[in-house]
Amino acid sequence: ETGVTQTPRHLVMGMTNKKSLKCEQHLGHNAMYWYKQSAKKPLELMFVYNFKEQTENNSVPSRFSPECPNSSHLFLHLHTLQPEDSALYLCASSQGNFEKLFFGSGTQLSVL
Amino acid sequence: AQKITQTQPGMFVQEKEAVTLDCTYDTSDQSYGLFWYKQPSSGEMIFLIYQGSYDEQNATEGRYSLNFQKARKSANLVISASQLGDSAMYFCAMRELHTGTASKLTFGTGTRLQVTL
Repeated sequence: ETGVTQTPRHLVMGMTNKKSLKCEQHLGHNAMYWYKQSAKKPLELMFVYNFKEQTENNSVPSRFSPECPNSSHLFLHLHTLQPEDSALYLCASSQGNFEKLFFGSGTQLSVL
Repeated sequence: AQKITQTQPGMFVQEKEAVTLDCTYDTSDQSYGLFWYKQPSSGEMIFLIYQGSYDEQNATEGRYSLNFQKARKSANLVISASQLGDSAMYFCAMRELHTGTASKLTFGTGTRLQVTL
């Protein structure tokens, strides 16, 4: 248990659906991240939030919309996704600018 | 250009033996940090070990040690006395310390380690 909880663990959605991924950290960290893990590719950083402010958008398509209402919660809103968006989406948090990341177990997303 | 290279897609090791997982990196920065993470089938990324570019000594954490060769830009992970529970994907990652506001890690493609009886 790393202190970072992601829900749901698995999600299947059609291309016209709207869904949200949720991440919650119980570690008192100030930075939160979304990473995408596709098969046989390195983890790709999607978004970074530091003290609730988005500090990084790594050229992510607008069909992915992050939200960080407070330092403990992070959401990823999904709409009109494509089959190539199927992947494991990992949330992480860190304390301070240069500390190690603590990851959640991820949401395995399948887009049909 | 790829910044983290892990050339071994898969490795086998016998239980109780030591194994080395390779990692090379590319950066022009003088200040950076190197990490190893373990990802079991459950999906969670588990932090194993960290090496700072200015650290004089190689990092060690229990059965894990990092063989840091700065001139070669390599940061290999050594697991001693392998256990069945070590079977997982292992990722090398780098943080360049000039990135500013938050800790962004660049990951390699990973090595799948299988520990056998």
